[in-house]
Amino acid sequence: SQKIEQNSEALNIQEGKTATLTCNYTNYSPAYLQWYRQDPGRGPVFLLLIRENEKEKRKERLKVTFDTTLKQSLFHITASQPADSATYLCALEGRRDDKIIFGKGTRLHILP
Amino acid sequence: GAVVSQHPSRVICKSGTSVKIECRSLDFQATTMFWYRQFPKQSLMLMATSNEGSKATYEQGVEKDKFLINHASLTLSTLTVTSAHPEDSSFYICSALMVGGPNEQFFGPGTRLTVL
Repeated sequence: SQKIEQNSEALNIQEGKTATLTCNYTNYSPAYLQWYRQDPGRGPVFLLLIRENEKEKRKERLKVTFDTTLKQSLFHITASQPADSATYLCALEGRRDDKIIFGKGTRLHILP
Repeated sequence: GAVVSQHPSRVICKSGTSVKIECRSLDFQATTMFWYRQFPKQSLMLMATSNEGSKATYEQGVEKDKFLINHASLTLSTLTVTSAHPEDSSFYICSALMVGGPNEQFFGPGTRLTVL
């Protein structure tokens, strides 16, 4: 069955450093890979989408890479700030429909 | 733009009662809306896909007679949890796909359901 693994349940990073989150998947060939931010008690907020034929995408302090051979995506936040503290969800979208499969997320804590 | 609202944000009900949750796209039309459930420290699990004017498509293991979905207009989908039980207590989140928009789901803020 399809499986998404986000490398760690929680990650502590010092303010100003780069936070790197990992998403691995198996038994799936997604057309798109997405990253979302979720704050406690709130719905997810879309951050970035990367297509299967794209290697890297950037948006301000965010960078996402997508390696379809390794079946892995890396999500980077540079110059991290305490306000970046949240849970970050990796999500895969298939080719046939608009359904999205979510990982469990990684709770990121940026320490001041 | 692209705001999705949910109502209510929190609801507490007694076991055996029914609860209706509304999901609205405020500034865009959505032919497709999705309903998710999220238990603490777990991923969002898709429950069903709701298409305007047609029957919802439920994921395996989700009882369609228990979780009634109605998508009556391009801006409103409702989820009714019938005969709720404590194990139905969860965080219910909807999302909407914009007609003619980017391939991106816009999520509502979620509804916390607690069944006593």
